[in-house]
Amino acid sequence: EAGVAQSPRYKIIEKRQSVAFWCNPISGHATLYWYQQILGQGPKLLIQFQNNGVVDDSQLPKDRFSAERLKGVDSTLKIQPAKLEDSAVYLCASSAHSGLLYGYTFGSGTRLTVV
Amino acid sequence: DAKTTQPPSMDCAEGRAANLPCNHSTISGNEYVYWYRQIHSQGPQYIIHGLKNNETNEMASLIITEDRKSSTLILPHATLRDTAVYYCIVSGNTPLVFGKGTRLSVIA
Repeated sequence: EAGVAQSPRYKIIEKRQSVAFWCNPISGHATLYWYQQILGQGPKLLIQFQNNGVVDDSQLPKDRFSAERLKGVDSTLKIQPAKLEDSAVYLCASSAHSGLLYGYTFGSGTRLTVV
Repeated sequence: DAKTTQPPSMDCAEGRAANLPCNHSTISGNEYVYWYRQIHSQGPQYIIHGLKNNETNEMASLIITEDRKSSTLILPHATLRDTAVYYCIVSGNTPLVFGKGTRLSVIA
């Protein structure tokens, strides 16, 4: 089966600019996650979707980050305006159900550099 | 915050078994132990999970102590491609919370 697709692979922007990341999960996977991974740290959950509804966005900095999952398939994560500390890898993952026993499949991520 | 403690780094000779420890002394009765690994420039990859019993699959074995307060991931014959950061995660039915993991270096 095809994996989780993410684009772009790399992005460099200046602070205060906006940026968007795209994720296409595995076909049929109802649950989608966005994680932020700062260099040297483990991934940190930003938001969880179940189909096209938000389940958990408690760690999403909502003053500058937004995410949507239209039609319960693809998802976009946006940052506006970006700050230097947003430099990180943004990982998208999907699972067949919300339960962990089904395992998460991660994409390769988008590496964002804010200068 | 992560509920597990792992050594920051380990080395293993190629072809030997790699034994990665994890302490999870506050684990609850309904929480599983999960292991993921992250190879450089890739997203994390699921390895194995367990509740009480030892588990084995094509990638690794998971040994969980009887009191469930610690576990060990075993890669029976480590290869250079097993060089990665290995994450031990304890969770019930909530999203995965990653710590810093153990950086395993397999040496030729």
